[in-house]
Amino acid sequence: AIQLTQSPSSLSASVGDRVTITCRASQGISSALAWYQQKPGKAPKLLIYDASSLESGVPSRFSGSGSGTDFTLTISSLQPEDFATYYCQQFNSYWTFGLGTKVEVK
Amino acid sequence: EVQLVESGGGLVQPGGSLRLSCAASGFTVSSNYMSWVRQAPGKGLQWVSVIYSGGSTYYADSVKGRFTISRDNSKNTLYLQMNSLRDEDTAVYYCARLRIGNLFDSWGQGTLVTVSS
Repeated sequence: AIQLTQSPSSLSASVGDRVTITCRASQGISSALAWYQQKPGKAPKLLIYDASSLESGVPSRFSGSGSGTDFTLTISSLQPEDFATYYCQQFNSYWTFGLGTKVEVK
Repeated sequence: EVQLVESGGGLVQPGGSLRLSCAASGFTVSSNYMSWVRQAPGKGLQWVSVIYSGGSTYYADSVKGRFTISRDNSKNTLYLQMNSLRDEDTAVYYCARLRIGNLFDSWGQGTLVTVSS
């Protein structure tokens, strides 16, 4: 099974900061990667698909990059509503998620 | 508007059974890949099962042989029959639609299953 390793597991940031989260796959998955945002008590929300494509309705401050085994989610200027947990997910072979990165208030 | 509403969660003893339901509106369940994803308390997301539009079903190794995914086309509803439940099955269970078979693009609100004596 393909495993996804996210780093860091948590980070503290301030409004306006640039935030970067990484996701490493245990084997090459081309661009078969998505990113989700989850807020407490809510279902996850799709942000990015195919590693770098922005889901409709998602603000342009979110962006994704990478291919093969190494991927990045970037929030260019953190907004108050962006404090949440972020998960990467691969769909190259079945579906697996990373363990998440919690973005907290500094 | 696409909407998914889960029900059927609750407290069950180890070894017991439970059936979860997911009522869909705004789209046709049988024309889509549908899945169950769970999240243990304070933990990450884990894919559980999928049913393809053609009817094929697949399961995570941790639930294979114990859980069964199905759908009722007349009710536009997805189900998850869970047998031989274990403590480690305690989680919020979400139903989700798989877009192009790859992306979980619509989710329900989740239903909590607690396995405990």
